[in-house]
Amino acid sequence: GEDVEQSLFLSVREGDSSVINCTYTDSSSTYLYWYKQEPGAGLQLLTYIFSNMDMKQDQRLTVLLNKKDKHLSLRIADTQTGDSAIYFCADQNRDDKIIFGKGTRLHILP
Amino acid sequence: DAGITQSPRYKITETGRQVTLMCHQTWSHSYMFWYRQDLGHGLRLIYYSAAADITDKGEVPDGYVVSRSKTENFPLTLESATRSQTSVYFCASIGGQTEAFFGQGTRLTVV
Repeated sequence: GEDVEQSLFLSVREGDSSVINCTYTDSSSTYLYWYKQEPGAGLQLLTYIFSNMDMKQDQRLTVLLNKKDKHLSLRIADTQTGDSAIYFCADQNRDDKIIFGKGTRLHILP
Repeated sequence: DAGITQSPRYKITETGRQVTLMCHQTWSHSYMFWYRQDLGHGLRLIYYSAAADITDKGEVPDGYVVSRSKTENFPLTLESATRSQTSVYFCASIGGQTEAFFGQGTRLTVV
């Protein structure tokens, strides 16, 4: 079945850029998502990208999609302490089933 | 209020009991999903539904039952709760080609 993989942990200094990577196996992806989850809270959609796009920029967030390699990344510019959270990559296929990765915990160093 | 709501937010139940988690959305979205979130496993899909009266198994359906008699409701039932079903449960919905909206989650503890 479909699978979505992410590294579990990332540590970044405040003010630097964070890059969170994700790989997926589904060849019928329609949308790919990045969700943010703060401690004790639900999931908040950060951004999404259509599978026929290469890049999407939204303020401090840049999403890059390499469809050939099935690789998705989320770059957060000028990382702040408020960006500390778990970030989930998710893949939506043609049947609209959404599969999530295990999440990457972003830790901000002062 | 428009949105997707889950109830209860917190539930403690005993092993062997039946418990139902409710999910209600106000947009008439076609697709609805149930996920469980556990440490080390991220979010895993339990069941999903493409429309009223249409449901399908996800990655971890065993021990769970769903129904979708009305478009706006998608209850998840644990017929005989086990400790391994202690988790945080998230319901989500999407309508056509739009983002998925999530409920706030239900924290279930089985003792």
